[in-house]
Amino acid sequence: EAGVTQFPSHSVIEKGQTVTLRCDPISGHDNLYWYRRVMGKEIKFLLHFVKESKQDESGMPNNRFLAERTGGTYSTLKVQPAELEDSGVYFCASSQGTATNYGYTFGSGTRLTVV
Amino acid sequence: GEDVEQSLFLSVREGDSSVINCTYTDSSSTYLYWYKQEPGAGLQLLTYIFSNMDMKQDQRLTVLLNKKDKHLSLRIADTQTGDSAIYFCAGAYSSASKIIFGSGTRLSIRP
Repeated sequence: EAGVTQFPSHSVIEKGQTVTLRCDPISGHDNLYWYRRVMGKEIKFLLHFVKESKQDESGMPNNRFLAERTGGTYSTLKVQPAELEDSGVYFCASSQGTATNYGYTFGSGTRLTVV
Repeated sequence: GEDVEQSLFLSVREGDSSVINCTYTDSSSTYLYWYKQEPGAGLQLLTYIFSNMDMKQDQRLTVLLNKKDKHLSLRIADTQTGDSAIYFCAGAYSSASKIIFGSGTRLSIRP
């Protein structure tokens, strides 16, 4: 079984540019989550999809971040325009049932550097 | 809101036991987890414990939960160089579908 796949693995962009991160969850996992870890800090929740619907987007920092999951399969997270403070590692995770029962399966993350 | 705290660094000698500590604020947590992140890799679920348990052992790993003090610990027996990683404590709550993570403890092994 393929795991959670994220790409790119690394991205370096200039302030003001746009970047789109992609996550392919484990096939059949309805729940998809985005998290972010800024250097040395805790891993912070961004949002949660159930299929194509946003179940909880309370962690999205501002309207420069847009997440989509068309068709309930893969998800994209777009940052536009990127700012320096957006640098960090963006993790995607998926789960079959609710995460409280099973925990998540995480991808390897996308390391975003805004210069 | 929920908060999970850990010390940032721990250094142990190879072969010794490592104990990584974590405190949390929300007593309604239902599951508590330990995740491991090796360099360049994603987060790997190491073990978890239900909130109605006090201890869980899995090979070299022992998890202790003190609900009164809201304290969780992970003990790694006979620490090896392959155990070098960042260890994240995390809690899940029945009222929410998300998991709250700590800042991670970087474990380094010295010869």
